[in-house]
Amino acid sequence: NAGVTQTPKFQVLKTGQSMTLQCAQDMNHNSMYWYRQDPGMGLRLIYYSASEGTTDKGEVPNGYNVSRLNKREFSLRLESAAPSQTSVYFCASRPVGGASNEQFFGPGTRLTVL
Amino acid sequence: KNQVEQSPQSLIILEGKNCTLQCNYTVSPFSNLRWYKQDTGRGPVSLTIMTFSENTKSNGRYTATLDADTKQSSLHITASQLSDSASYICVVSAKTGANNLFFGTGTRLTVIP
Repeated sequence: NAGVTQTPKFQVLKTGQSMTLQCAQDMNHNSMYWYRQDPGMGLRLIYYSASEGTTDKGEVPNGYNVSRLNKREFSLRLESAAPSQTSVYFCASRPVGGASNEQFFGPGTRLTVL
Repeated sequence: KNQVEQSPQSLIILEGKNCTLQCNYTVSPFSNLRWYKQDTGRGPVSLTIMTFSENTKSNGRYTATLDADTKQSSLHITASQLSDSASYICVVSAKTGANNLFFGTGTRLTVIP
């Protein structure tokens, strides 16, 4: 099992450019998440998908869109990148139900917007 | 308001020494609390989970405690190693809500030889 995979690992954009961050999981998890991590601010939730076919805003959704393509894949799109979106982006997944509800994280995408 | 606060923000210790990281929360209704370890350049990985009825749980040199009455948890690392250098993140789950996970900002631990 590969777990949670993210592409690309690194990306540099110019202000105003668009791009899509890809995430896939092979653990048959129902829920998937996108976070950004900035120094001193911890992980902040951008969007999440509780199950296939649903998406909801998190704490910092402005400037982003998401697509839950199928149960495995959850993509994050920046339509017009801004320097404030320079960050490390993590995708995560977790099963629904049960006491543990452990989240499994991908390796992250480091994005720089110039 | 559901919040998770961690202290200290950063910590430097000598290899072989012990240390304790703190997590205070106001999440309600409480379901469980997880400690994650995040190595530089990697995603977080779960170390241990604490449920309401558990006071102490060990995972090798890591021991987590939970006081549900005072809403505090600690992560104690014994005989630290260079590989313990990482960020440690406390995540508290609420029993209700579609998005029921609340994250602390983490403690950055550096172990020096």
